[in-house]
Amino acid sequence: SQQGEEDPQALSIQEGENATMNCSYKTSINNLQWYRQNSGRGLVHLILIRSNEREKHSGRLRVTLDTSKKSSSLLITASRAADTASYFCATPSGSARQLTFGSGTQLTVLP
Amino acid sequence: EAQVTQNPRYLITVTGKKLTVTCSQNMNHEYMSWYRQDPGLGLRQIYYSMNVEVTDKGDVPEGYKVSRKEKRNFPLILESPSPNQTSLYFCASSLSTPGQGYEQYFGPGTRLTVT
Repeated sequence: SQQGEEDPQALSIQEGENATMNCSYKTSINNLQWYRQNSGRGLVHLILIRSNEREKHSGRLRVTLDTSKKSSSLLITASRAADTASYFCATPSGSARQLTFGSGTQLTVLP
Repeated sequence: EAQVTQNPRYLITVTGKKLTVTCSQNMNHEYMSWYRQDPGLGLRQIYYSMNVEVTDKGDVPEGYKVSRKEKRNFPLILESPSPNQTSLYFCASSLSTPGQGYEQYFGPGTRLTVT
């Protein structure tokens, strides 16, 4: 089942600009994770935010979580060409024993 | 180095010929899972395991089997592959279940083509 939906599906920006991706989910959660995937490769964990947190930072990443709206956003500041990748949100499901991924945002950062 | 390994990385096979994709992790993780990734459908969980000898179906388990005889290994078995199982497969592991809030470590992927 598709727990997370991401928006936009694709995003193209210039190097140095900020990129914002959004994720909406359907059921109550206690944490939400963001992953990055370079083309055809394994996913890499970026950041986890718990339901009692509203915002979290890690380097150039800022994640927000609004449990009342069942949504999260990932902001990448001062983007670089190397940030070009697909970004996925993931939430626990199936009695919290499974992890369900959103549909992903394809980010392209132009040099 | 902490890692999840998968073999083979690429596999082309024919319908009905049994195959196994191996997955191994060196982090003493309890939780392991298999996903398939298809264009337009995203990542979908096939099976997961919360510990040795404890496995359960994910969202798309039909046509797949798994086993967890040792903590480090979690092979994915396709007893009679069909063309609709052509996909990119990922194994992942984490310390505990997603509800506990642990990051998943992913393998490099296995690209399977069934003709």
